[in-house]
Amino acid sequence: GAVVSQHPSWVICKSGTSVKIECRSLDFQATTMFWYRQFPKQSLMLMATSNEGSKATYEQGVEKDKFLINHASLTLSTLTVTSAHPEDSSFYICSAQGPLKNTEAFFGQGTRLTVV
Amino acid sequence: AQSVAQPEDQVNVAEGNPLTVKCTYSVSGNPYLFWYVQYPNRGLQFLLKYITGDNLVKGSYGFEAEFNKSQTSFHLKKPSALVSDSALYFCAVRDPGGYNKLIFGAGTRLAVHP
Repeated sequence: GAVVSQHPSWVICKSGTSVKIECRSLDFQATTMFWYRQFPKQSLMLMATSNEGSKATYEQGVEKDKFLINHASLTLSTLTVTSAHPEDSSFYICSAQGPLKNTEAFFGQGTRLTVV
Repeated sequence: AQSVAQPEDQVNVAEGNPLTVKCTYSVSGNPYLFWYVQYPNRGLQFLLKYITGDNLVKGSYGFEAEFNKSQTSFHLKKPSALVSDSALYFCAVRDPGGYNKLIFGAGTRLAVHP
């Protein structure tokens, strides 16, 4: 299957700082990328959907000013957690999707964020 | 509203025995269904999908799934479980609206005992 690279795989940061997570589709053009958050032993919670060159669509309850998403190209999307707080500590996962409904989405390996 | 249900939080199976992980769905129109597996502290790996055609779909690592339209189910199966199959399994259906987003079930933890 296609490869989606997510970086970093883990990060520890201090409260009040910002953290950027990158998601790259290495061998296909991702018209849409998705950002999820996963709490321990729970399912994935969709945070936002981003299409290349346009503003991200955020799910209800997700603060767009706190979780900045940029999808500058068909192979790169970034999630920036701004002014991080301990409650932002979580596992963040991206996925990349081509334009067709019958194709599967491919997921990055996830980023474990710990805010201290 | 579109939804996916995985009624079992955990499934326990002895190694070598067949396994089934259940999934039912509710979606308008023809469903596009997917199974993913997640190992600890990792992203999701694609196992298989149903788009159209044969109701029995074969996927990676010996897994298969049976699409049943009348029961709106898409159960994941494997004839002989391995200890290495122990992981978290997610069923998903594609939202028929825009952006091709996936709607996930809550996940089922599969534990295969030696």
